[in-house]
Amino acid sequence: SQQGEEDPQALSIQEGENATMNCSYKTSINNLQWYRQNSGRGLVHLILIRSNEREKHSGRLRVTLDTSKKSSSLLITASRAADTASYFCATDDTGANSKLTFGKGITLSVRP
Amino acid sequence: GAVVSQHPSWVICKSGTSVKIECRSLDFQATTMFWYRQFPKQSLMLMATSNEGSKATYEQGVEKDKFLINHASLTLSTLTVTSAHPEDSSFYICSARTGLPSYEQYFGPGTRLTVT
Repeated sequence: SQQGEEDPQALSIQEGENATMNCSYKTSINNLQWYRQNSGRGLVHLILIRSNEREKHSGRLRVTLDTSKKSSSLLITASRAADTASYFCATDDTGANSKLTFGKGITLSVRP
Repeated sequence: GAVVSQHPSWVICKSGTSVKIECRSLDFQATTMFWYRQFPKQSLMLMATSNEGSKATYEQGVEKDKFLINHASLTLSTLTVTSAHPEDSSFYICSARTGLPSYEQYFGPGTRLTVT
C-alpha cells in the first residue's frame, strides 16, 4: 500500500531555479527518505531524515520534516538539467520488521 | 556505500516459462531483503520481505506460489516468477537491509522483465 503522497506529481523548471517537492504520509514513522530514479534505472538514495530531526542538508539538497503535520519537503537549489528524474519519498516505520513504503513519485524536468 | 547487485539486468521470456532473478549484497550481510515491483511511470510496490533462513512474508495481493522467494544465505535472495504472463512484465527491484543498529537499506539496480 502507498503511504507517502508527493506533490506536485510533475514539476518543470528552468535550470538554475529551485525545485521544491512535498510529501505527506499517514502513520507514525521512524524516518523518511528521499530517492531519485532516472528513467529505467535503479534508485539512488538522496537523504534520510529521522523522526526527531526537523531539517537536514546535503549539498544542494535540503529536507525538512514536520511530524505534527506528517509532511516532508525536498528542496533542490540551483537545479541542473542532470537533476531531471523521478523523486520518491519513502517512509520507514519502526522496529526490526520495518519496511520502506514509497510514495507515488514526482517527475522533475529541468530545462537547460 | 554498500552495494547490491541484481542479475540479470534484463530478461525476455516466453509466456508460461519461469524466470529467476538474483539479488546479492556484495559487501555486507543482509538478514532481510525486500522485493519490489515497479510498473512504467508508477511507484515501487513492495511484493515481499525475505528473511534469511525463513519463509518470505508477502504483501496483500501478491501470489506467493507465483512469485517464489528464496533467501538461502545472508548475501543472496532469489525471486522466481513462475509461469510468467505478459502482465508480469515489469521492473523488479530488490533491496537489502543491514542489521543493528542502523537498519540501512540499499537498492539493487533492478531487473527489467518482458514476457512475450
